[in-house]
Amino acid sequence: DAKTTQPTSMDCAEGRAANLPCNHSTISGNEYVYWYRQIHSQGPQYIIHGLKNNETNEMASLIITEDRKSSTLILPHATLRDTAVYYCIGSGNTGKLIFGQGTTLQVKP
Amino acid sequence: ETGVTQSPTHLIKTRGQQVTLRCSSQSGHNTVSWYQQALGQGPQFIFQYYREEENGRGNFPPRFSGLQFPNYSSELNVNALELDDSALYLCASSLVGAGKNTGELFFGEGSRLTVL
Repeated sequence: DAKTTQPTSMDCAEGRAANLPCNHSTISGNEYVYWYRQIHSQGPQYIIHGLKNNETNEMASLIITEDRKSSTLILPHATLRDTAVYYCIGSGNTGKLIFGQGTTLQVKP
Repeated sequence: ETGVTQSPTHLIKTRGQQVTLRCSSQSGHNTVSWYQQALGQGPQFIFQYYREEENGRGNFPPRFSGLQFPNYSSELNVNALELDDSALYLCASSLVGAGKNTGELFFGEGSRLTVL
């Protein structure tokens, strides 16, 4: 699995877009970029994943740079319920994920 | 569609004892992965079960073992408990099969184990 680097923490104002960066310069060609989040005392929740192209679903958008060395998760209109630890993971599609420390996102009113 | 369920939600054991944690996978899923999450850390991969066989293992000693049953549910067994085994144990299910691998995991809420 690719090593990923994320900021330890970030703040975002409620209603504004939250942009969470992730560096994964060692990602290999067949590894996906996965994003999960974990709200306090709950199990991790899948958000989105992508290989090369940008992806969007009902929760978020994922922007992957052309060289695939970094990506950004975008929550378009953050709410207080989006306060969580966000994990960026570079992995094959085997389900064996290597979690790092993640980014603690605090959404403030 | 039922989600991933784990039991028990909380339990307390003493050092040297053995523990069994249980997981029911999401309907339609055939693969179960187990993770250990210590306080303040990200989840750590323990092992994965597919077709009732272990299909990959993280850096955990043999006293961590598992089973997967024909209905795809799973157990995690830990023998000779140590204080450092105190953690949240997470089960995640996924669907693996021809053309269906997405790598997306669905996690349960976890079993919190305290070893005294």
